[in-house]
Amino acid sequence: GQQVMQIPQYQHVQEGEDFTTYCNSSTTLSNIQWYKQRPGGHPVFLIQLVKSGEVKKQKRLTFQFGEAKKNSSLHITATQTTDVGTYFCAENYGGATNKLIFGTGTLLAVQP
Amino acid sequence: DTAVSQTPKYLVTQMGNDKSIKCEQNLGHDTMYWYKQDSKKFLKIMFSYNNKELIINETVPNRFSPKSPDKAHLNLHINSLELGDSAVYFCASSHPRTEQYFGPGTRLTVT
Repeated sequence: GQQVMQIPQYQHVQEGEDFTTYCNSSTTLSNIQWYKQRPGGHPVFLIQLVKSGEVKKQKRLTFQFGEAKKNSSLHITATQTTDVGTYFCAENYGGATNKLIFGTGTLLAVQP
Repeated sequence: DTAVSQTPKYLVTQMGNDKSIKCEQNLGHDTMYWYKQDSKKFLKIMFSYNNKELIINETVPNRFSPKSPDKAHLNLHINSLELGDSAVYFCASSHPRTEQYFGPGTRLTVT
């Protein structure tokens, strides 16, 4: 079925190090959303990117949408233990259904 | 004050049984969804309702039947449960073309 690839699957960093996860699609995206899921929790919306080449920042988090709208990235500067969780990108197919196809996710572990 | 709530939080049952999971949202959203998250954390859309009308119906066994009595509620009934149905089921809701708000999930274990 439809799937969006994310890399890496898993990343273990020392607190204070940076972290990046990449999301790749074979098709041009209407828009892309990012979610965070803490261990044992539920996905929580972080941001939506719509425009080609768009860059958005939320404190230590930087989100980018590729120029061709086929890929996206999430970069965290100076990770903290509160950043632990799985980060998902999700392709939004747009239209009335608001259908999301979630990426495979990147699990981030942060060692204090 | 929970925005999207699900019951039960945990469900342990035997193969062959029938069970239901309930979902309610108080956000005033028109669209609600059911997702399945497997043991590898893959999150997959199953169904979506917009104002009580089914608008997304992915390739899901027909043992799964969603029901939306009104736009604030979306329930999921599963017949003849199988081992492979063990997963976390998330309900979500949204306005059109915007972010989705997820419930806390229901962990289903079929033994």
